[in-house]
Amino acid sequence: GENVEQHPSTLSVQEGDSAVIKCTYSDSASNYFPWYKQELGKRPQLIIDIRSNVGEKKDQRIAVTLNKTAKHFSLHITETQPEDSAVYFCAASSDRGSTLGRLYFGRGTQLTVWP
Amino acid sequence: DAGVIQSPRHEVTEMGQEVTLRCKPISGHDYLFWYRQTMMRGLELLIYFNNNVPIDDSGMPEDRFSAKMPNASFSTLKIQPSEPRDSAVYFCASSLARLAGERTDTQYFGPGTRLTVL
Repeated sequence: GENVEQHPSTLSVQEGDSAVIKCTYSDSASNYFPWYKQELGKRPQLIIDIRSNVGEKKDQRIAVTLNKTAKHFSLHITETQPEDSAVYFCAASSDRGSTLGRLYFGRGTQLTVWP
Repeated sequence: DAGVIQSPRHEVTEMGQEVTLRCKPISGHDYLFWYRQTMMRGLELLIYFNNNVPIDDSGMPEDRFSAKMPNASFSTLKIQPSEPRDSAVYFCASSLARLAGERTDTQYFGPGTRLTVL
């Protein structure tokens, strides 16, 4: 099955700096890559996603890039703010019938933004 | 829509007791997932259903865990007997695989049940 690895496990940045979280995946059939944000004591919530037919997607201060050849994708947060502090999870899924609908999650990155 | 609903939100029980966690998915969704989250193991998929049928239960840690989905609007995760190592936050999530013919895949998580087994 799919194996998603996420780095780093913890990341500390100063307010206003950029943060980058990277994930790699193993299954070349994966074609959907969402990112979830989980604030302390809350549920994971989707913040952005990308499909394999595009290389980059932006939503205000958040962007995701995808390199299908290298099988890696990254989350970029610019002008970080203290409220960006949370655990971020990457995930991958494919159209393969046997696993349709299932997301394979990375282990998560604890992002701390210092004021 | 009220989103995914889970109950109870908190459960404290003693080792050996039966625990039942409940989930109501978003109306119209055809996939339902049960996850367990701990600091040590992260977010683990325990089991998931498609149209009320279990698709993959390979993540269920042992026979003490069982899950059912008797209809499209209700699912349970049962632990019998419970052990201290089962202490974790259990999330239920639901998704709609296709909307107007296109894949959606977005999973919507419930608020979770924090289980403590003493």
